[in-house]
Amino acid sequence: GAVVSQHPSWVICKSGTSVKIECRSLDFQATTMFWYRQFPKQSLMLMATSNEGSKATYEQGVEKDKFLINHASLTLSTLTVTSAHPEDSSFYICSARVQPHYEQYFGPGTRLTVT
Amino acid sequence: AQTVTQSQPEMSVQEAETVTLSCTYDTSESDYYLFWYKQPPSRQMILVIRQEAYKQQNATENRFSVNFQKAAKSFSLKISDSQLGDAAMYFCAYPIRSGGGADGLTFGKGTHLIIQP
Repeated sequence: GAVVSQHPSWVICKSGTSVKIECRSLDFQATTMFWYRQFPKQSLMLMATSNEGSKATYEQGVEKDKFLINHASLTLSTLTVTSAHPEDSSFYICSARVQPHYEQYFGPGTRLTVT
Repeated sequence: AQTVTQSQPEMSVQEAETVTLSCTYDTSESDYYLFWYKQPPSRQMILVIRQEAYKQQNATENRFSVNFQKAAKSFSLKISDSQLGDAAMYFCAYPIRSGGGADGLTFGKGTHLIIQP
């Protein structure tokens, strides 16, 4: 149980275009999902908390207009990187909390390359 | 802001031996959760073990156990009978604000664990 999927696993896009990444909880409902970013050989950094039916909460320094998050259902959250630039190239990982427990289960990640 | 510190960028251990990974954290909360996650080369984050601060007993999951020292704000991970499949990056994590389960996580910089056959 507690499986989280992400799609796509790898995406290449051109500078100036937008790309959407999906995060799904496959066998449970997730009222809260989280989005992280990981640069090569670095740790994970929390970008935002995605709450079903309400606006996402962004961490300090994360541009909310660039990284649009939508949590439209209890099993799906999406991250859209708008007007992508090469510096947005990174590994994006989502996670979901399995209530009533407190641990988070992570998706396999999405590698974004902006050319 | 809560901080998590892992002071060992890399550790190496012989297969079947025991290794301990260190983690310290900073918080003013009295009740909170702590986690160890593993990230193998596939980059899939895998929960290794969880500790609840109000529980005095150290958490154990098969070959993995923690040494939780609340007063010292220390949370080390012991891996017994190391196996080749244990090779990975290990991250210590703490809920980013209040320590509660509803928070996103702040991670340490990680320890790269190498298993020597």
